[in-house]
Amino acid sequence: GAVVSQHPSRVICKSGTSVKIECRSLDFQATTMFWYRQFPKQSLMLMATSNEGSKATYEQGVEKDKFLINHASLTLSTLTVTSAHPEDSSFYICSARGRAKGTEAFFGQGTRLTVV
Amino acid sequence: DAKTTQPPSMDCAEGRAANLPCNHSTISGNEYVYWYRQIHSQGPQYIIHGLKNNETNEMASLIITEDRKSSTLILPHATLRDTAVYYCIVRVGWGANFGNEKLTFGTGTRLTIIP
Repeated sequence: GAVVSQHPSRVICKSGTSVKIECRSLDFQATTMFWYRQFPKQSLMLMATSNEGSKATYEQGVEKDKFLINHASLTLSTLTVTSAHPEDSSFYICSARGRAKGTEAFFGQGTRLTVV
Repeated sequence: DAKTTQPPSMDCAEGRAANLPCNHSTISGNEYVYWYRQIHSQGPQYIIHGLKNNETNEMASLIITEDRKSSTLILPHATLRDTAVYYCIVRVGWGANFGNEKLTFGTGTRLTIIP
């Protein structure tokens, strides 16, 4: 299947700093990318959807100024957690799908963020 | 997208077939049934999807009832590596609503393969 690479896989940052997570589609053009957050023993919660060249659409309750999403190219989307706090510690996962109708959504391996 | 109901957990003996049920009684005519799984601390993995016919691939089989109100994912010979959370998702086909598409997850079924 298609490959979606997420980087870094783990990151520890100090409270108040910002962290950027990258999501790349390695062998296809990703016209739509999804960002999820997952807390321990819970399901994936959709944070936002971004289409290439457009502003991201955020789910209700997700602060767009805190979770900055950029989808500037067909192979790269980034999620920046600004002014991170310990409660932002979570598993962040991206997903990407291609332009062709019926193309499946593929997932990155996830990023474990710990804010100390 | 239609809501789905899955049992929270199931056990299956290694080597046996694992049958994971999913109820989706409010499914619409243009909605597909998708299955993903998530192994611990990894991103989800696509397994299979179908509209109304039964489907089979190298990973699993998907059996959809004639009224499409429920389905069963079958892992024919479960191995320890199949231990994961399995998610049944009902949604319109990709590309049908470009620019306004989502992929949302419920709570899934935690499948444990017993040695």
